[in-house]
Amino acid sequence: KQEVTQIPAALSVPEGENLVLNCSFTDSAIYNLQWFRQDPGKGLTSLLLIQSSQREQTSGRLNASLDKSSGRSTLYIAASQPGDSATYLCAVQLGGSEKLVFGKGTKLTVNP
Amino acid sequence: GAVVSQHPSRVICKSGTSVKIECRSLDFQATTMFWYRQFPKQSLMLMATSNEGSKATYEQGVEKDKFLINHASLTLSTLTVTSAHPEDSSFYICSAAIIQGAEAFFGQGTRLTVV
Repeated sequence: KQEVTQIPAALSVPEGENLVLNCSFTDSAIYNLQWFRQDPGKGLTSLLLIQSSQREQTSGRLNASLDKSSGRSTLYIAASQPGDSATYLCAVQLGGSEKLVFGKGTKLTVNP
Repeated sequence: GAVVSQHPSRVICKSGTSVKIECRSLDFQATTMFWYRQFPKQSLMLMATSNEGSKATYEQGVEKDKFLINHASLTLSTLTVTSAHPEDSSFYICSAAIIQGAEAFFGQGTRLTVV
C-alpha cells in the first residue's frame, strides 16, 4: 500500500528565506508526483507535476525534484514571501491508475 | 489551466437529511472524476472514482449506499450524502484530469457541517 509522508508538518520562516519541503513515498511504482498548495478552507492549486521519467520541474521561485528510486521528492521555494503561507501537499499518482495518494501536508508560515 | 467548479462551497444541514454536491469541469471533458474527503489536519482520502455513464468505484470502507455518486455527463459529477450524520461533517473535494497521467485539477471544495 502506497504511503506518502511529508516532513516537517509545520514550518515557520522569516520572509526572504529559501526553504525545502520534503516528501517521501513507499512504493516507487508511480506515474507522477504532484505538489499542491491549499489555502485554509479552500481547494487545491496545482504547483508542479513531475512525471516519473523526469528529475525536476521549475516554475518561477519553485523547484521540485524527484528521486523515484529512493522514493523522495523535495519542493524548494526561493526567496519566500508572506503570500507563500499555505499548506503544501505532495501527492503521487499510482502507476496504471488515475488515483492520487496524498501526504498530510506541510503548513508553511512566512513571517514579514 | 483547466477549471473544475464545485458547488456549494459551504452547506449546513440537519442530521438525517441528504445533501448534494456538484462538480463540473468547465472547459474540458472528464470521463473520470474523483471525490476526496479531508478531515482536519489529515490527508485527502480518496472516497470513490466517478465514471461517466457507469457505476462509481468506491474505496474500501466507503459506504456506497450512503455516498451516492452520479456521473451523468462528461462535465458533471454529483455526490449525494444521504441520511447525513454529524460524523459526516468534513471537507469534500472533487478532481478531474483530462487524460490519465496528466495534471489533476481540483474543485474549490465543499465544507459540509451536519448539525
